[in-house]
Amino acid sequence: DAKTTQPTSMDCAEGRAANLPCNHSTISGNEYVYWYRQIHSQGPQYIIHGLKNNETNEMASLIITEDRKSSTLILPHATLRDTAVYYCIVKGNTPLVFGKGTRLSVIA
Amino acid sequence: DTAVSQTPKYLVTQMGNDKSIKCEQNLGHDTMYWYKQDSKKFLKIMFSYNNKELIINETVPNRFSPKSPDKAHLNLHINSLELGDSAVYFCASSQGTVLEKLFFGSGTQLSVL
Repeated sequence: DAKTTQPTSMDCAEGRAANLPCNHSTISGNEYVYWYRQIHSQGPQYIIHGLKNNETNEMASLIITEDRKSSTLILPHATLRDTAVYYCIVKGNTPLVFGKGTRLSVIA
Repeated sequence: DTAVSQTPKYLVTQMGNDKSIKCEQNLGHDTMYWYKQDSKKFLKIMFSYNNKELIINETVPNRFSPKSPDKAHLNLHINSLELGDSAVYFCASSQGTVLEKLFFGSGTQLSVL
């Protein structure tokens, strides 16, 4: 599976959009981009996934560049409850492999 | 109802003991997993079962034995516990085995003294 690179940590003001970047320059054509998050003392939670096109659901939007070498997870209106570690995962026909993720702190 | 439930939430035990962690999912999923999150917070897959059959077995010591009595349950039995087994263990489930939207339990904090 392709590896991903994410910033170690980010801050975001409450109510503002949180934009979390992810680089996956070695992604293969059949690999999807997944995003999960882990709130303190809880199990990871699925957020969104995509292949080529941008995706949106009730939690977030996923923007994938045309060359698929990077993506951005957007939380449109961050709240304090969005404080968590966010994992960007590139996955083919193998299990999900979690990296270090980005620790997002939403600040009041 | 909790979709993926694990028991116990906390488990404190002595080295050398044998312990089990239970996991149940009520989502009707075919695939279940065990992940381990160590003190450095890395989350690593241990096992995966699809319809009660083992499909993934990462390099986990033989002391760890998963058991799936039916596709809604995947229990983890650990023999001869060691200090290094201390971690948080997460159970998860998904509908398929390729495009996986995983649902995780809330974890079991295992502390080996």
